[in-house]
Amino acid sequence: GQNIDQPTEMTATEGAIVQINCTYQTSGFNGLFWYQQHAGEAPTFLSYNVLDGLEEKGRFSSFLSRSKGYSYLLLKELQMKDSASYLCAVRDREYGNKLVFGAGTILRVKS
Amino acid sequence: DAGITQSPRYKITETGRQVTLMCHQTWSHSYMFWYRQDLGHGLRLIYYSAAADITDKGEVPDGYVVSRSKTENFPLTLESATRSQTSVYFCASSPSHEQYFGPGTRLTVT
Repeated sequence: GQNIDQPTEMTATEGAIVQINCTYQTSGFNGLFWYQQHAGEAPTFLSYNVLDGLEEKGRFSSFLSRSKGYSYLLLKELQMKDSASYLCAVRDREYGNKLVFGAGTILRVKS
Repeated sequence: DAGITQSPRYKITETGRQVTLMCHQTWSHSYMFWYRQDLGHGLRLIYYSAAADITDKGEVPDGYVVSRSKTENFPLTLESATRSQTSVYFCASSPSHEQYFGPGTRLTVT
């Protein structure tokens, strides 16, 4: 089976850096995804990691360690519009390569 | 260029009624998915489709039926709605890795 853990909520200050962690347990890991979801809206794709290391995309970076079953999403220069839920999802070869989502981390950015 | 759309956006129905939620994408993506999102559970896969006429169950398929006669459409039917099916339903499509989500349908079963 699959198990994905993320913190439920985090609060950070505008202009700061925040790291959202995700740990997972899967039998057939085949990629990790991060999505952003604003309240009342659809999830939007942020990043995809399949190999170990850091992927940078503007203010957002995502890191993966397959041996530790661990990923994090790093948000720099936080803006108020970054207040949203951040979903970690794992693609599992044993699950037909479908995505399994964590419950999400609600990030609140305060001024 | 609408991308992926869902209809209706909001629906209230009674227990026991049949309800169909529509999903349409204009990208010709092979893969399409239906999820439900509930507080405390995150997104859970109901059904998915790898191509027209190919569908398979996800994590929570009971009480739902899907079809995919055309690549661009992937309707989800609740055969006899129950209160436990009150949820927000998202359709998604994918060319390979990342999935693109529709705006969602908020369904309330009374």
